Amino acid sequence: DAGVIQSPRHEVTEMGQEVTLRCKPISGHDYLFWYRQTMMRGLELLIYFNNNVPIDDSGMPEDRFSAKMPNASFSTLKIQPSEPRDSAVYFCASSLRGQGYNEQFFGPGTRLTVL
Amino acid sequence: LAKTTQPISMDSYEGQEVNITCSHNNIATNDYITWYQQFPSQGPRFIIQGYKTKVTNEVASLFIPADRKSSTLSLPRVSLSDTAVYYCLVGYSSASKIIFGSGTRLSIRP
Repeated sequence: DAGVIQSPRHEVTEMGQEVTLRCKPISGHDYLFWYRQTMMRGLELLIYFNNNVPIDDSGMPEDRFSAKMPNASFSTLKIQPSEPRDSAVYFCASSLRGQGYNEQFFGPGTRLTVL
Repeated sequence: LAKTTQPISMDSYEGQEVNITCSHNNIATNDYITWYQQFPSQGPRFIIQGYKTKVTNEVASLFIPADRKSSTLSLPRVSLSDTAVYYCLVGYSSASKIIFGSGTRLSIRP
């Protein structure tokens, strides 16, 4: 398996623009997670899905952030409009059915810079 | 309020055993404790997982006391390549919450 795939790997945009990050989980994994990592705040869980249904989105910073999982093999995290404070590395992770949400496999991350 | 706490940094030398402790209050009986390792510019990578007593694999051991309010990751005979950030993660099933600790930056010296 190719592991968790994220795109793009790097994104540079200007304040106010819409940003869409994409994730393909490992085939057969029922849980998908979106994280944000910054030097100041560390690794933060934004939202996670089980069988394509959002379970906990309490970590989503504000209404500018939205996440979808239209099917078992694809998820998006959208920021609209983007702001400089959104600059961070965004990770997607997935985990296998029956193991809950602990043994997660992380993608390589998307480094977002908002100017 | 569920919280996962660990030391900010630790230093050690090659060949030594390193123990990193994580505190996790309000943990329930079936909540798992998981440790991850992260190198610069990479995503975290699973090391070990457990929920009671002791678990050992080829790279680490995880010790969990009876009250389960803390856990200790033990790395035997560390090398320079073990220099990384180590995260403790607890999935609090009763609240459907997943909480990472703030990470422990481990530096190994020759």
